[in-house]
Amino acid sequence: EAQVTQNPRYLITVTGKKLTVTCSQNMNHEYMSWYRQDPGLGLRQIYYSMNVEVTDKGDVPEGYKVSRKEKRNFPLILESPSPNQTSLYFCASSLRGGGTATYEQYFGPGTRLTVT
Amino acid sequence: GQQLNQSPQSMFIQEGEDVSMNCTSSSIFNTWLWYKQDPGEGPVLLIALYKAGELTSNGRLTAQFGITRKDSFLNISASIPSDVGIYFCRGTTSGTYKYIFGTGTRLKVLA
Repeated sequence: EAQVTQNPRYLITVTGKKLTVTCSQNMNHEYMSWYRQDPGLGLRQIYYSMNVEVTDKGDVPEGYKVSRKEKRNFPLILESPSPNQTSLYFCASSLRGGGTATYEQYFGPGTRLTVT
Repeated sequence: GQQLNQSPQSMFIQEGEDVSMNCTSSSIFNTWLWYKQDPGEGPVLLIALYKAGELTSNGRLTAQFGITRKDSFLNISASIPSDVGIYFCRGTTSGTYKYIFGTGTRLKVLA
């Protein structure tokens, strides 16, 4: 089954404790992206990756890191989490990205992160 | 950063009613897309629009690409309980891999 998986689905942690949220897709997609969803603010893009070893900042990259060493995986790293990073996080992938041709983005089930 | 403003922010409607929502921006976009997020799930693509003035339907859903290219509209006819969720618009410009989503419209349907 074609899908985007994220782990963990729920995470409660404390300020400053490094964490990684994993994202994996099995569709051989080139483009992957991370979003955070907050009430009233919608979905905001954190980072995106056009292909292996190619990443760039979205609208809200501060406090986050990403890497794309393999095509299927795109982990999101919070080196020193803070309470304002409490949010619902989504990973998404599409065959390709950008341009005027639109490739459907497939979203993972989400990771709800609470930082105390 | 840039954001797309959606209106209304939330709405309660009776089953069977028609629904209208819109998405506006100060910037021009080359494509507009509409997504729906069911409770507890990730967003799913509903409709994609590729040129100004385009009107596209998907079942009971109809979306339009505004002629100014700065806005888009989504209509749902004869709403049913499974229409409940959050609807997001997304704009894309050529030459960028950055995606901008709207603030979302939360729809609740009263049976």
